[in-house]
Amino acid sequence: NAGVTQTPKFRILKIGQSMTLQCAQDMNHNYMYWYRQDPGMGLKLIYYSVGAGITDKGEVPNGYNVSRSTTEDFPLRLELAAPSQTSVYFCASSYSPSGGSYNEQFFGPGTRLTVL
Amino acid sequence: QKEVEQDPGPLSVPEGAIVSLNCTYSNSAFQYFMWYRQYSRKGPELLMYTYSSGNKEDGRFTAQVDKSSKYISLFIRDSQPSDSATYLCAMTAAGNKLTFGGGTRVLVKP
Repeated sequence: NAGVTQTPKFRILKIGQSMTLQCAQDMNHNYMYWYRQDPGMGLKLIYYSVGAGITDKGEVPNGYNVSRSTTEDFPLRLELAAPSQTSVYFCASSYSPSGGSYNEQFFGPGTRLTVL
Repeated sequence: QKEVEQDPGPLSVPEGAIVSLNCTYSNSAFQYFMWYRQYSRKGPELLMYTYSSGNKEDGRFTAQVDKSSKYISLFIRDSQPSDSATYLCAMTAAGNKLTFGGGTRVLVKP
């Protein structure tokens, strides 16, 4: 199992450009998540998905969009990049049969994004 | 005020010492408490998970939760240089939307 994979590892964008951060998991997990991590701020949830075709906003969704057409993939789209989106982005997944209790989240290696 | 507070460190200790980490929180609804370890330029990995109040031990690691004080702790005994990392606490009321602390950087010197 590769676990959770993310591409690219690094990216520099200019203000106003768009890009898609890719995330895939091969563990057949139903839940997938996108977080951003700023220095000293911990991880903040951007969007999450409970299964294919179902997504919902997290704590900091503005400026981002997601889709989930398959169980395996959960891409994150930045439409008009801004310097405030400079961060490290982590994708994670978990298996939750009922959704009502905590289940371990497995994280990818992250994408370091700089917007200049 | 942040919902989960964690001292950023760095916390520097000699090899073999006990490392003591903690988080405080304000949301009394939290009942699942986690500690994640994050090596430099890597994703977080789960170390310990505790439900409600009490202690949990796993090898050199002990997690404690005191819900009455809204305070959680992680202790690392016989610390090793390989324990040098950032430790993140996380918690949730129910389900899978986690709230993270800012992380504490730990340096274990040989």
